[in-house]
Amino acid sequence: QVQLLQSGAEVKKPGSSVKVSCKASGGMFSNHGINWVRQAPGQGLEWMGGLNPFFGTPDYAQKFQGRVTITTDESMSTAYMDLSGLRSEDTAIYFCATDMGILVALDHWGQGTLITVSS
Amino acid sequence: QSMLTQPPSASGTPGQRVTISCYGSSSSVGGDTVTWYQHLPGTAPKLLIYRIYQRPSGVPDRFSGSKSGTSASLAISGLQSDDEAVYYCAAWDRSLNSWVFGGGTKLTVL
Repeated sequence: QVQLLQSGAEVKKPGSSVKVSCKASGGMFSNHGINWVRQAPGQGLEWMGGLNPFFGTPDYAQKFQGRVTITTDESMSTAYMDLSGLRSEDTAIYFCATDMGILVALDHWGQGTLITVSS
Repeated sequence: QSMLTQPPSASGTPGQRVTISCYGSSSSVGGDTVTWYQHLPGTAPKLLIYRIYQRPSGVPDRFSGSKSGTSASLAISGLQSDDEAVYYCAAWDRSLNSWVFGGGTKLTVL
């Protein structure tokens, strides 16, 4: 069973970038798509983007196009989500999650990483 | 603004059956990728239903999913106190090439 361990909480300045990692154990990203979902305070879940090995190139939500980059390092069994141009509205818990198939469902989730954007 | 529409709240008493609705478009809920997640504060979301009505192993059969056109539903029978959580529907939107989520429904067990 895949387990996902995310990097720790960070505080960032407006305008800066953040890179959150997600390390998989018990499985490889080559067999599962990796997605990133966030939850801002008091808000619902919001999909940011994903990388499915069967498609090769990542898909990003329109809202984050140009600001988010999702990559994987198979040798390290680790996925990364890079978000640039941070603003206060990006303060949120960021989750990584694997897809159980090709656009089937997000079945395994990381524990979440709190990113706080504050001057 | 969420792409899928859910009621913000629902409630029921122990043992009761409750239903949560989820409305979308032909390119999202109209397909076969409807999923449901249970989310408790401070934890990671948990997959309850995939492909409209399929349950992952370990999810009790008290949870069931259905769909008609661009409207999907999650039903919870034999309501229990630990079912109190926020429930999200999601679907892959073929026109956006994105997973889209509903705004979430907070379920209260009275």
